[in-house]
Amino acid sequence: GQQVMQIPQYQHVQEGEDFTTYCNSSTTLSNIQWYKQRPGGHPVFLIQLVKSGEVKKQKRLTFQFGEAKKNSSLHITATQTTDVGTYFCAGGGSNYKLTFGKGTLLTVNP
Amino acid sequence: GAVVSQHPSWVICKSGTSVKIECRSLDFQATTMFWYRQFPKQSLMLMATSNEGSKATYEQGVEKDKFLINHASLTLSTLTVTSAHPEDSSFYICSAPRASSSYNEQFFGPGTRLTVL
Repeated sequence: GQQVMQIPQYQHVQEGEDFTTYCNSSTTLSNIQWYKQRPGGHPVFLIQLVKSGEVKKQKRLTFQFGEAKKNSSLHITATQTTDVGTYFCAGGGSNYKLTFGKGTLLTVNP
Repeated sequence: GAVVSQHPSWVICKSGTSVKIECRSLDFQATTMFWYRQFPKQSLMLMATSNEGSKATYEQGVEKDKFLINHASLTLSTLTVTSAHPEDSSFYICSAPRASSSYNEQFFGPGTRLTVL
């Protein structure tokens, strides 16, 4: 079945530093979604990428979808303490089904 | 955004008892809902897909007789953990996609923390 790998598992940064998490799928994806889960909370949708080579920005967050539609990345510029949480990528399949990566836990030192 | 609720938010039960968790889409109809479990500091593992008016589809390795799913209406799915044991202790989260959304995103409930003594 479809497998989605995500690295790194943990990332600790100083406030103001950049952060990147990477996602790789064993199969070509129809779409990839990114979610953020704050400590003690539930996943919240951030973005969906559909097109090969797509790049989307949300303020300090930049999302990319690879040309082969098998990998993706999330980059945060100048991290803030409010960015703390676990970022999950999820490969989209048929009937809305998602396969989640293991997530990257981001901690930010003020 | 769309709202999905879960009840209860946490539950503690004795080993051998059954626990029912409700998942409701409050402001949209959901013919499909998903049930996940999440262990501390781990990813979300899809357990099953709940389909309104038909049987749920379970992921490989998930016991359908232990995790009973009922999707009786377009806004409610229930997960019953039967004869719960300590190893069933986990964070259970439901989600639902909204057909009218521009994306295929899922809206997650706040989760239910189950502790089996």
